[in-house]
Amino acid sequence: AQSVAQPEDQVNVAEGNPLTVKCTYSVSGNPYLFWYVQYPNRGLQFLLKYITGDNLVKGSYGFEAEFNKSQTSFHLKKPSALVSDSALYFCAVRKDTPLVFGKGTRLSVIA
Amino acid sequence: NAGVTQTPKFQVLKTGQSMTLQCAQDMNHNSMYWYRQDPGMGLRLIYYSASEGTTDKGEVPNGYNVSRLNKREFSLRLESAAPSQTSVYFCASSPLAGVSPNTDTQYFGPGTRLTVL
Repeated sequence: AQSVAQPEDQVNVAEGNPLTVKCTYSVSGNPYLFWYVQYPNRGLQFLLKYITGDNLVKGSYGFEAEFNKSQTSFHLKKPSALVSDSALYFCAVRKDTPLVFGKGTRLSVIA
Repeated sequence: NAGVTQTPKFQVLKTGQSMTLQCAQDMNHNSMYWYRQDPGMGLRLIYYSASEGTTDKGEVPNGYNVSRLNKREFSLRLESAAPSQTSVYFCASSPLAGVSPNTDTQYFGPGTRLTVL
């Protein structure tokens, strides 16, 4: 069965610095990978997804993610963090099932 | 275009009471889903409906039932609520029908916060 792991419960970064939120996956065959963001008291919002092709995927709000097949990773990145990026981030995989989510990583961007 | 809407936003129940959580989408999507979110657990799938007229169990279906009333609406029922069902419940929908459209993006509602005393 497919699964995703987000090894960090919390990531802290200073405003203006680059940020990375880590995700690794386990799935047989080609993975279909997603990132979602959840702001306080809100539902999940879709950020980006990897289906095939270019390993660097660009998404909403300046976020991007790098697919690395050899390391089975799909890390979320942003070159310059904003305080407004503070939220809960979920990595998810889909392979012949509905989305399977990681446990989430809370990102705090400090001014 | 409201997207995915859920009612109620908040609910407090006593153990043993029943209730139905409502979900509707106006995007003409074929598939709909119910998840629960618990601290440190991420989102776990309760039930889903891969097309109108079909429903399937997810990872944590015990204690729940669902009804795909029509293409727009997918309700979740707790017949006899238990404290372990205290959670935030999210409904989602996606455009395509079937379980296998792996590229299909799911869109989420704002959630229902349920407390069972």
